[in-house]
Amino acid sequence: EVQLVESGGGLVKPGGSLRLSCAASGFTFSNAWMSWVRQAPGKGLEWVGRIKSKTGGGTTDYAAPVKGRFTISRDDSKNTLYLQMNSLKTEDTAVYYCATYRSGSFDYWGQGTLVTVSS
Amino acid sequence: QSALTQPASVSGSPGQSITISCTGTSSDVGGYNYVSWYQQHPGKAPKLMIYDVSNRPSGVSNRFSGSKSGNTASLTISGLQAEDEADYYCSSYTSSTTWVFGGGTKLNVL
Repeated sequence: EVQLVESGGGLVKPGGSLRLSCAASGFTFSNAWMSWVRQAPGKGLEWVGRIKSKTGGGTTDYAAPVKGRFTISRDDSKNTLYLQMNSLKTEDTAVYYCATYRSGSFDYWGQGTLVTVSS
Repeated sequence: QSALTQPASVSGSPGQSITISCTGTSSDVGGYNYVSWYQQHPGKAPKLMIYDVSNRPSGVSNRFSGSKSGNTASLTISGLQAEDEADYYCSSYTSSTTWVFGGGTKLNVL
């Protein structure tokens, strides 16, 4: 059974940093392309970014609002995906989901972790 | 990249069929067959319902179907059931090698 468990969320001040983790199990993580998607309170889904598998090139893509501030990385030895968030803004407040990527879609999702950016 | 356009809400009675539209541009919906649909119940993670415009993942009811014409994709739910009441989001790959979601549609089952 595919399981994705996010952690690392919490309260952070504007301008601060936070690193989220996503522990994966139930599938071959090293072969998977992975994404982060966020959802502000009461709002819709917003794609954050994606990382390819190492065999796929290991490259990353980001949404414009987070480009240059957020970095996605992976540790295939630990079956873990990361999202390093720097220079956080109040508008980054959201539940952050990690998701597996398949054929242009996001097929398995974690339960999400809440990030609150507030002074 | 602007969000794809979805109606804010749609309603239907049990047993009826409803369709949710998702309008984009030739740079996203119209340019690629990477349109997907997600169901989200309150407080829960989204669930993939349709991928590649019209394909259902294993385990998703065949009451859910997807299609696309030009820059508009559609999700149709037939034989509405109370458990279908949820928020629905479309998503598309874009020419900027990014993904964009729709604003979401609340489905009310009357």
